[in-house]
Amino acid sequence: DPKIIQKPKYLVAVTGSEKILICEQYLGHNAMYWYRQSAKKPLEFMFSYSYQKLMDNQTASSRFQPQSSKKNHLDLQITALKPDDSATYFCASSQDEGSNTEVFFGKGTRLTVV
Amino acid sequence: QQQVRQSPQSLTVWEGETAILNCSYEDSTFDYFPWYWQFPRESPALLIAIRPVSNKKEDGRFTIFFNKREKKLSLHITDSQPGDSATYFCAASDGTGGLSGKLTFGEGTQGTVIS
Repeated sequence: DPKIIQKPKYLVAVTGSEKILICEQYLGHNAMYWYRQSAKKPLEFMFSYSYQKLMDNQTASSRFQPQSSKKNHLDLQITALKPDDSATYFCASSQDEGSNTEVFFGKGTRLTVV
Repeated sequence: QQQVRQSPQSLTVWEGETAILNCSYEDSTFDYFPWYWQFPRESPALLIAIRPVSNKKEDGRFTIFFNKREKKLSLHITDSQPGDSATYFCAASDGTGGLSGKLTFGEGTQGTVIS
């Protein structure tokens, strides 16, 4: 059974629209992340959360907004979608204790903006 | 500026041969170096990782060699198998400045093993 659940698996959106990518983890981890992977760029860190608090934001655009309603939830809201936002978005988690712990990735949401 | 660089971009070896994948980094504060592999249409998964206190980490057919002075590391895959065909990512993190799960990835090496 997948321990990090991402929904939906595939998503097609119209330019200018808004979408929410869902992520829930059942590994009991305290830290959660969003990464993006596209044909143009390697795996790219976007956000990190620890105990539902934003720890780091490497996303230049405010169109990307993470939302954490529970410790094991970290959704990603994307507004004013652009074709360049087309990518696979991976949610990840770790039991971060400040020293080199394994990061587990979800299956990803493949977003296509047309 | 790309903080983590990988070479070659792609690598093809015959079954049974040793594959060598290279990685270099810029930031001296990086203190954790995991290698991830990713199969088509799958998510990345941890393969093996090393900390700078060691210059070698071995796990079965997979070995990381680490050179802190030169800021380089390499992944050696011995007795390569067709099932090893995947994209290999070198990554790095600085656990002291924040969460260790904030990984900086290289661009990946597309590995193919021919039987």
